[in-house]
Amino acid sequence: DQQVKQNSPSLSVQEGRISILNCDYTNSMFDYFLWYKKYPAEGPTFLISISSIKDKNEDGRFTVFLNKSAKHLSLHIVPSQPGDSAVYFCAASLTDSWGKLQFGAGTQVVVTP
Amino acid sequence: DTGVSQDPRHKITKRGQNVTFRCDPISEHNRLYWYRQTLGQGPEFLTYFQNEAQLEKSRLLSDRFSAERPKGSFSTLEIQRTEQGDSAMYLCASTSQGLIATDTQYFGPGTRLTVL
Repeated sequence: DQQVKQNSPSLSVQEGRISILNCDYTNSMFDYFLWYKKYPAEGPTFLISISSIKDKNEDGRFTVFLNKSAKHLSLHIVPSQPGDSAVYFCAASLTDSWGKLQFGAGTQVVVTP
Repeated sequence: DTGVSQDPRHKITKRGQNVTFRCDPISEHNRLYWYRQTLGQGPEFLTYFQNEAQLEKSRLLSDRFSAERPKGSFSTLEIQRTEQGDSAMYLCASTSQGLIATDTQYFGPGTRLTVL
């Protein structure tokens, strides 16, 4: 069963505006969450992560928010740049699961001029 | 380049043939993972090694699949008697063992398998 869900397969945003990507999970035991970015013909690249003991983590233009009660996390990219056009995957992990990641299906982001 | 490398990048084979993929992790990383990604989906966990020991296998890994990491460095993933449903991108990732199991995994570029 799909325990990590990204319900928006695509997102189009203008350059300079904010991109908001959403992710929902069903397993309340997940305690670590990550976002990966993937360009065509390349492997996923780590972007940002957050532990379940936090509700926000920021790294430059990227901020991840975690709402444990809603089992929801989001990634904010501001300002969006053309190089941000890629597929973004949300992933979740359990500390005692050897680091095994469970991924969502991904959201294709297109940043337009 | 000290990233994760995978070989070959593309493999086209006929149904029923055996294929083998190789992954070279980042040199100091003792944890290695294999994932499979099909079109429109995120990567799915297949198996995990800590050094040379295979510690977990997904139920997705049928008996036609076998993975090894003989010296705790590179790893191979073999698929016997390939089926069209095996067509996918096979991704390898590595990380170093830290205080927690959730250290960042670094992915290779993947091997795209097409079974005709």
